[in-house]
Amino acid sequence: AQSVTQLGSHVSVSEGALVLLRCNYSSSVPPYLFWYVQYPNQGLQLLLKYTSAATLVKGINGFEAEFKKSETSFHLTKPSAHMSDAAEYFCAVTLYNFNKFYFGSGTKLNVKP
Amino acid sequence: EAGVTQFPSHSVIEKGQTVTLRCDPISGHDNLYWYRRVMGKEIKFLLHFVKESKQDESGMPNNRFLAERTGGTYSTLKVQPAELEDSGVYFCASSQDLDAEAFFGQGTRLTVV
Repeated sequence: AQSVTQLGSHVSVSEGALVLLRCNYSSSVPPYLFWYVQYPNQGLQLLLKYTSAATLVKGINGFEAEFKKSETSFHLTKPSAHMSDAAEYFCAVTLYNFNKFYFGSGTKLNVKP
Repeated sequence: EAGVTQFPSHSVIEKGQTVTLRCDPISGHDNLYWYRRVMGKEIKFLLHFVKESKQDESGMPNNRFLAERTGGTYSTLKVQPAELEDSGVYFCASSQDLDAEAFFGQGTRLTVV
């Protein structure tokens, strides 16, 4: 079975501070892992994905995530938060890189000036 | 190129009424997916079309939900009769191939009162 747990439904950081959004997964087969972002009044947008190549994955807007099999984690980070990063972020896992996603419950990121 | 478009963006209906949601995928995308997010919880898979055929409808909650994709272009999701627990945001996504990037629409927020 596949599932994702996102710790922290709300995260607040100051502009310029490190962003760390946590994601732990459970998968019966080698996972494909994704981070999506939803800005207000917009659809989900792919930030980055892990498909069993490099364990450190770089995405758009300066975000990156590291796949750690031993910890079953795929945390999302960004060294310096920008006001425009305020959005809701979703971690997801799929089988065989197909688009039947199992999403986490989302983390709303607030960036304070 | 237009993205995935969903209509309406918001719908408020009374319990027992019927509502039809529409999704226009990106042109040429054979794969179309419906997802639902209920009450700020995780986004859950409903079903997957390949062209006009239902490939996987394992996530459909019950027989009050009917999805169609006549002609393999746009898709509709009908809820009849609607219940209070059907309230949520319904997302549609499309992809060219099974393992290609899925593009999401902005969602339809359904409120059943």
